[in-house]
Amino acid sequence: AQSVTQPDIHITVSEGASLELRCNYSYGATPYLFWYVQSPGQGLQLLLKYFSGDTLVQGIKGFEAEFKRSQSSFNLRKPSVHWSDAAEYFCAVGRVYGGSQGNLIFGKGTKLSVKP
Amino acid sequence: EAQVTQNPRYLITVTGKKLTVTCSQNMNHEYMSWYRQDPGLGLRQIYYSMNVEVTDKGDVPEGYKVSRKEKRNFPLILESPSPNQTSLYFCASSAAKQETQYFGPGTRLLVL
Repeated sequence: AQSVTQPDIHITVSEGASLELRCNYSYGATPYLFWYVQSPGQGLQLLLKYFSGDTLVQGIKGFEAEFKRSQSSFNLRKPSVHWSDAAEYFCAVGRVYGGSQGNLIFGKGTKLSVKP
Repeated sequence: EAQVTQNPRYLITVTGKKLTVTCSQNMNHEYMSWYRQDPGLGLRQIYYSMNVEVTDKGDVPEGYKVSRKEKRNFPLILESPSPNQTSLYFCASSAAKQETQYFGPGTRLLVL
């Protein structure tokens, strides 16, 4: 069965420091991978997605993620964190039902705190 | 503006009192889903629909019903709510296959 693991429940970084949030998935073929962000009291916003092609994906708000098939990972990175990046981040994989991939399996999320 | 709307945004109810949370999208998407979000568990899919009159169970369907009579609407029905259904609920939609899911703002439900 497909699954997504986000090993870090909570991460704290200083403003201006770099950030890497980890995501591992289990799925034999090339998955459809997503990162969403949820600010406090808000819905989910798509940061970036990977379907195929270049394994380094650029997203909104200065985020990027790299798909590494050999490690079954899709880690999210940002070179310099801003206080407004404090939020909860969810990695997700597109579920496969007989070839259609319109639904997501989510990781449990990583909460990011930013120190001034 | 392309969006997914949910109503109500906040709801307090009592055990056993039937309720419906509405979801509507204006993007002509075929796929729609309901998720619940609980602390430490992330988002879990309740039901999904691949098109009008086509629905199926997700990972946690017990205690919920859905219907898809129109393409734009996908209401979530709790026939007899219980306290363990206290949660934050999200509706989402996407175009057919390989497309990004767009989420509604969420409905926070408290069942007493």
